[in-house]
Amino acid sequence: GQNIDQPTEMTATEGAIVQINCTYQTSGFNGLFWYQQHAGEAPTFLSYNVLDGLEEKGRFSSFLSRSKGYSYLLLKELQMKDSASYLCAVGNSNYQLIWGAGTKLIIKP
Amino acid sequence: ETGVTQTPRHLVMGMTNKKSLKCEQHLGHNAMYWYKQSAKKPLELMFVYNFKEQTENNSVPSRFSPECPNSSHLFLHLHTLQPEDSALYLCASRLSGEITDTQYFGPGTRLTVL
Repeated sequence: GQNIDQPTEMTATEGAIVQINCTYQTSGFNGLFWYQQHAGEAPTFLSYNVLDGLEEKGRFSSFLSRSKGYSYLLLKELQMKDSASYLCAVGNSNYQLIWGAGTKLIIKP
Repeated sequence: ETGVTQTPRHLVMGMTNKKSLKCEQHLGHNAMYWYKQSAKKPLELMFVYNFKEQTENNSVPSRFSPECPNSSHLFLHLHTLQPEDSALYLCASRLSGEITDTQYFGPGTRLTVL
């Protein structure tokens, strides 16, 4: 079967760094996506990885290891507005996105 | 307006009602999607339309009926729903052929079935 695993919830402190992990098993691979979703709002695109390595975009970075079926999203200098759910999704061989259940990130002052 | 819009934002309906959800995208995309999002569960893909043609139907019950009159508009017609159908229904669009396959989402319709 196809599945995406990520932690249900994480807590971090304002100003700190947090790493959200995602492991996947899919039929084929056409890239891994991270989306951010604030409560009651639409998911918004954060990052895309298709090759192994680290992609950096401001305070957010995303890492991919295809051989391990593993990715992480790294958030630096956490701000209260980063409190949200973070969704990991993988494009399979049919170019469908297979989604994880999301990680709810709680930022404390 | 820009992006992807959905109406209504909230809907409460009885099991015998008939209602429709509407999605409109202003991005010039040609692929549109309906997803169901339940609490603490992954997004469930329901339907996919490419160039107005339905290309995916992920074993969705017939009480959900999609309609795509053109590449900018997508509807989800609802009838005789069950309480377990209560969820957030998200519409998304994509420019078919983009390598990154990035989907852009609307804000969703929060549906409650009594």
